Amino acid sequence: TQLLEQSPQFLSIQEGENLTVYCNSSSVFSSLQWYRQEPGEGPVLLVTVVTGGEVKKLKRLTFQFGDARKDSSLHITAAQPGDTGLYLCAGAGTASKLTFGTGTRLQVTL
Amino acid sequence: NAGVTQTPKFQVLKTGQSMTLQCAQDMNHEYMSWYRQDPGMGLRLIHYSVGAGITDQGEVPNGYNVSRSTTEDFPLRLLSAAPSQTSVYFCASSTRGGANYGYTFGSGTRLTVV
Repeated sequence: TQLLEQSPQFLSIQEGENLTVYCNSSSVFSSLQWYRQEPGEGPVLLVTVVTGGEVKKLKRLTFQFGDARKDSSLHITAAQPGDTGLYLCAGAGTASKLTFGTGTRLQVTL
Repeated sequence: NAGVTQTPKFQVLKTGQSMTLQCAQDMNHEYMSWYRQDPGMGLRLIHYSVGAGITDQGEVPNGYNVSRSTTEDFPLRLLSAAPSQTSVYFCASSTRGGANYGYTFGSGTRLTVV
């Protein structure tokens, strides 16, 4: 069974601060996907990284895929209250099946 | 675009009852999956399908059945509900390149078994 560990589990920061969320595994994945989930809704895809070492930027969010395709990180610059939510990483394996991490719950306050 | 539609949004069942969670997508996606989400455990794959007529088990399939008679629909059946099946259930779909392009999720069904 492939496992993905996310850290930290909880993060409470003030508006304007920077943060990094980590997603680690001992398994190699064909891609690593990041989702954000808000209460009462399903996860929404933020980005997919496919190539080892790949870096993708989405406005204030920067995603990186490890060289060995086993880990990833999400960095948010100057966090805003609208960034509040549950962040999930997911590794894609055989037949595009996803293995999800346990999530990082982010709270950004004014 | 409706995307992925799940019904019902909420359901309470008594132990031993059966029910079907409905999932429909209008994006002509080949891949469809069912996940359950429990506190502290992330999303776990129950069953998945890579096309009409093809289904396979995921990580936690016991107590659940699926079928895929059309591309659009992927219902999840609980045969005899148990309190351990209390959870939030999500249906998701993607193109054949789901690994590269990601999945679209429904808004979930919150199921309570008493």
